[in-house]
Amino acid sequence: QVQLQESGPGLVKPSETLSLTCAVSGFSISSGYYWGWIRQPPGKGLEWIGSIYHSGSTSYNPSLKSRLTISVDTSKNQFSLKLNSVTAADTAVYYCARHIQTGLQLQWEDYFDYWGQGTLVTVSS
Amino acid sequence: QSVLTQPPSVSAAPGQKVTISCSGSSSNIGNNYVCWYQQLPGTAPKLLIYENNKRPSGIPDRFSGSKSGTSATLGITGLQTGDEADYYCGTWDSSLRGNVFGTGTKVTVL
Repeated sequence: QVQLQESGPGLVKPSETLSLTCAVSGFSISSGYYWGWIRQPPGKGLEWIGSIYHSGSTSYNPSLKSRLTISVDTSKNQFSLKLNSVTAADTAVYYCARHIQTGLQLQWEDYFDYWGQGTLVTVSS
Repeated sequence: QSVLTQPPSVSAAPGQKVTISCSGSSSNIGNNYVCWYQQLPGTAPKLLIYENNKRPSGIPDRFSGSKSGTSATLGITGLQTGDEADYYCGTWDSSLRGNVFGTGTKVTVL
């Protein structure tokens, strides 16, 4: 069974960098698939942040791209998120997930099948 | 601001059926597969439907999905109190070149 677990500071100061790591168990990241980050501000909906392929190729939400870096460490079977210059608007529960993204019969299939439990990150001084 | 629009809430009595709509455009739903997630209070989202109408292992057949043109629909039959949750649609958007989620719908069992 694929399991994901987010870790990182729960409180970040404005203008600083938010850093999170997602540890994957039950599946080797090197075997394939994309691995993604999604966030959910308190009381609001879901927002895709970005994803990384096991090879290191990345895909970012255009609205966050200028502040975002996602990396992968296959030796530790984990991937990470760095979001810089954070503001209160970045306060959210951050989830990591396995991201299925393939082309099927001229259409794209895009969904997240395994999710971590999520971690709340608050941006405040 | 999401590009996929869902009704904020739907409700029905136990045992009844509810449907949740997800409206998009040709750059997302119209030309790509749709999925649906269930988010129980205080928990992470769970995949309910993928490829428009397929259910992952363990998802009961009370949950069904369909797509027509630029809209998709999630149906829940035999409504149970345990179905009270937020439901989100999702797909790829070819113009934004990224994953997009719907605005979310809260299901209440009366």
